[in-house]
Amino acid sequence: AQSVSQHNHHVILSEAASLELGCNYSYGGTVNLFWYVQYPGQHLQLLLKYFSGDPLVKGIKGFEAEFIKSKFSFNLRKPSVQWSDTAEYFCAVKAHNTDKLIFGTGTRLQVFP
Amino acid sequence: DAGVIQSPRHEVTEMGQEVTLRCKPISGHNSLFWYRQTMMRGLELLIYFNNNVPIDDSGMPEDRFSAKMPNASFSTLKIQPSEPRDSAVYFCASSYRASNTGELFFGEGSRLTVL
Repeated sequence: AQSVSQHNHHVILSEAASLELGCNYSYGGTVNLFWYVQYPGQHLQLLLKYFSGDPLVKGIKGFEAEFIKSKFSFNLRKPSVQWSDTAEYFCAVKAHNTDKLIFGTGTRLQVFP
Repeated sequence: DAGVIQSPRHEVTEMGQEVTLRCKPISGHNSLFWYRQTMMRGLELLIYFNNNVPIDDSGMPEDRFSAKMPNASFSTLKIQPSEPRDSAVYFCASSYRASNTGELFFGEGSRLTVL
């Protein structure tokens, strides 16, 4: 069964700082990978996704993620965060032979002005 | 275009009472998922349906939990009897299975508090 690990549970940054959130998954086969964001009091929204092609994926609001197959990783990055990026970020993985989307435990990001 | 619609948004009930959460998926979507979100465990998949048929309910905590999908536009998650440890936000999500991308569209969630 696949699983997802997010190393950072809580990250605190100042505006304009760079961001990298770690995500590792365990599954030996082909996967689809996702980052979802949950703003305070809201539902989860898709930030970006990878399912084939270029391993560097660009999403909304200046976020990007890189799929490194050899490291089973899909880290999320943003060169300069804003106060409005304060939210919880979830990495998720779906194996090709299943419909189940498995989420990591999430990383809470707080950005201070 | 309407998204996934969940009701109620908030529910406060007493231990032992029956709770029913409702979900209307996006029209045309044929997969439906129920997740539970808590501080301790994050997002847990409880059960999912394909074409109204339950496929995997291995995440359902115990027999007090049950889910149904009588038709393509409606699903319920029932807890009977409810317990304080069931307090959580319950999310419903839907997807179009044939797209094979796995992208889910989430509802606003139902925040359940069991006293």
